[in-house]
Amino acid sequence: AQSVTQLGSHVSVSEGALVLLRCNYSSSVPPYLFWYVQYPNQGLQLLLKYTTGATLVKGINGFEAEFKKSETSFHLTKPSAHMSDAAEYFCAVSENMEGNEKLTFGTGTRLTIIP
Amino acid sequence: EAQVTQNPRYLITVTGKKLTVTCSQNMNHEYMSWYRQDPGLGLRQIYYSMNVEVTDKGDVPEGYKVSRKEKRNFPLILESPSPNQTSLYFCASRPLGPNTGELFFGEGSRLTVL
Repeated sequence: AQSVTQLGSHVSVSEGALVLLRCNYSSSVPPYLFWYVQYPNQGLQLLLKYTTGATLVKGINGFEAEFKKSETSFHLTKPSAHMSDAAEYFCAVSENMEGNEKLTFGTGTRLTIIP
Repeated sequence: EAQVTQNPRYLITVTGKKLTVTCSQNMNHEYMSWYRQDPGLGLRQIYYSMNVEVTDKGDVPEGYKVSRKEKRNFPLILESPSPNQTSLYFCASRPLGPNTGELFFGEGSRLTVL
């Protein structure tokens, strides 16, 4: 069965500092991996996804993530944090997006930006 | 505008009083799903539907029902709500097919059962 572990339920960084949110997954087959962001009082929206091909994936708002199969990781980074990045971030994994395979979500990381 | 619309956004009810949370999408997506979000637990799938008249249980289906009579609508029914169903609920949809991946979420429905 697939699973996702997000290290750190709360992360605080200073404005302008590097953002690093950690995600490790477990999957029996090559996974599809996702990062979603949830702003206050809103639904989740896709930041970026990895399906096949290039392992460094770029998303919206300057975020990127690198799929590392040997480490079973898909950490999310942004070189310079902005106040508008404050939100909750969810990593998710799926083994088959063509059929009925559901996304399995991590428990989320709340990102706080310190002015 | 492409969107998933849920109603109501906020609801306070009492134990045992049947309620329905509606979900509608205007993107002609085949796949629809309901999740509940609880602190420290992330999102857990309640039910999903691959297409009209096709539904199946997710990870936490107890106490919930769904129906898919039309492609655009996927209501969540709580026949006899209990306090442990107090949660934030999200409806989501996506097309089927290779590399589609992205789920489109509604804005959420916050339910409190007293």
